[in-house]
Amino acid sequence: EPEVTQTPSHQVTQMGQEVILRCVPISNHLYFYWYRQILGQKVEFLVSFYNNEISEKSEIFDDQFSVERPDGSNFTLKIRSTKLEDSAMYFCASQTSGVSAFFGQGTRLTVV
Amino acid sequence: KNEVEQSPQNLTAQEGEFITINCSYSVGISALHWLQQHPGGGIVSLFMLSSGKKKHGRLIATINIQEKHSSLHITASHPRDSAVYICAVQKTSYDKVIFGPGTSLSVIP
Repeated sequence: EPEVTQTPSHQVTQMGQEVILRCVPISNHLYFYWYRQILGQKVEFLVSFYNNEISEKSEIFDDQFSVERPDGSNFTLKIRSTKLEDSAMYFCASQTSGVSAFFGQGTRLTVV
Repeated sequence: KNEVEQSPQNLTAQEGEFITINCSYSVGISALHWLQQHPGGGIVSLFMLSSGKKKHGRLIATINIQEKHSSLHITASHPRDSAVYICAVQKTSYDKVIFGPGTSLSVIP
């Protein structure tokens, strides 16, 4: 079965450092998403991406965040200067017509 | 106000019991998803529904569009079913997924 792959599975970083979370969506999917889940809370939408541009972003997705699809297969989320409150599980998802969204296993980001 | 609500928040069942988790939503949708999240955090899609009923193994999902309500049933529950079950909706195709708060299920042997 096809799957969305995320790396790394766990990242620990110092406050103020830049992190890049990587995702390989399913190859024929066209719509890509990042979500996050702070421990004990529900999953929240960050950003959606289609046709090489952001289609929607939430209030959480401020100037510290960026996304790109650098090589047609990877889909990355960059946090420029991490804060303690960025500690969360980050999920990538991809979707195509008529089927459910596929979610990655998540990257647990810990900012210390 | 949350657009997606679930009940109960927590559920403990004996192995073999029939389990129902309910979801209500307040917006027009094109699809409703039931998802499973195990400890460790990965999310697995169980069902995507736009109408009617779907069945996969011991899991059954139903949706009533008019009443904006969906249920997830688990028959002959097993300890391996212990997980958080999340209801989530999409307002239009390819729109972001709006997640409910989840129902934490524990099935005791």
